[in-house]
Amino acid sequence: DAGVTQSPTHLIKTRGQQVTLRCSPKSGHDTVSWYQQALGQGPQFIFQYYEEEERQRGNFPDRFSGHQFPNYSSELNVNALLLGDSALYLCASSFYRGYEQYFGPGTRLTVT
Amino acid sequence: KNEVEQSPQNLTAQEGEFITINCSYSVGISALHWLQQHPGGGIVSLFMLSSGKKKHGRLIATINIQEKHSSLHITASHPRDSAVYICAVRQGGSEKLVFGKGTKLTVNP
Repeated sequence: DAGVTQSPTHLIKTRGQQVTLRCSPKSGHDTVSWYQQALGQGPQFIFQYYEEEERQRGNFPDRFSGHQFPNYSSELNVNALLLGDSALYLCASSFYRGYEQYFGPGTRLTVT
Repeated sequence: KNEVEQSPQNLTAQEGEFITINCSYSVGISALHWLQQHPGGGIVSLFMLSSGKKKHGRLIATINIQEKHSSLHITASHPRDSAVYICAVRQGGSEKLVFGKGTKLTVNP
């Protein structure tokens, strides 16, 4: 049974560019949450997707957007990248309103 | 002030020592999680608590809802326990987790 997978593992982008990160949830899970973890900080909630809709959003600008597909996988898109967007982006899957979240290995994004 | 505060920020111990990491939170919660993060980023869920105490191997987690405080204990610590330990709370009525900044534990042989 595959756990949560994320791609790519690492990514280097230039300021102003756009990036797409991908997440496949643990088998059976229908909900995907995205988190941003800056160096030395705890993760911060970006948003959560269920039934292909954004259900809840953290304090992130509209440059951060997402999508969930019918197979429950999800994408995180960030437009107009800033240096401050450099971070580890974590995806977690769960059952909707379930308390247990399973985390993926993360995508490390570096913006230069 | 952060909604979730952990202490200490850094902890160095000798192999075999008993370890305690503390977490205090300021909001009403429906659950509290203890997570482990190794270098490289991957996060593993250790415990999810809404009351009382849980034990798994050498790890013990407790929570006091009235005092809004939780502790993670590691008995007979081992160098492989070296990692960042993160406390996260799920606010009542919310889907999101709010995380502490983590406690970096180093266990020396």
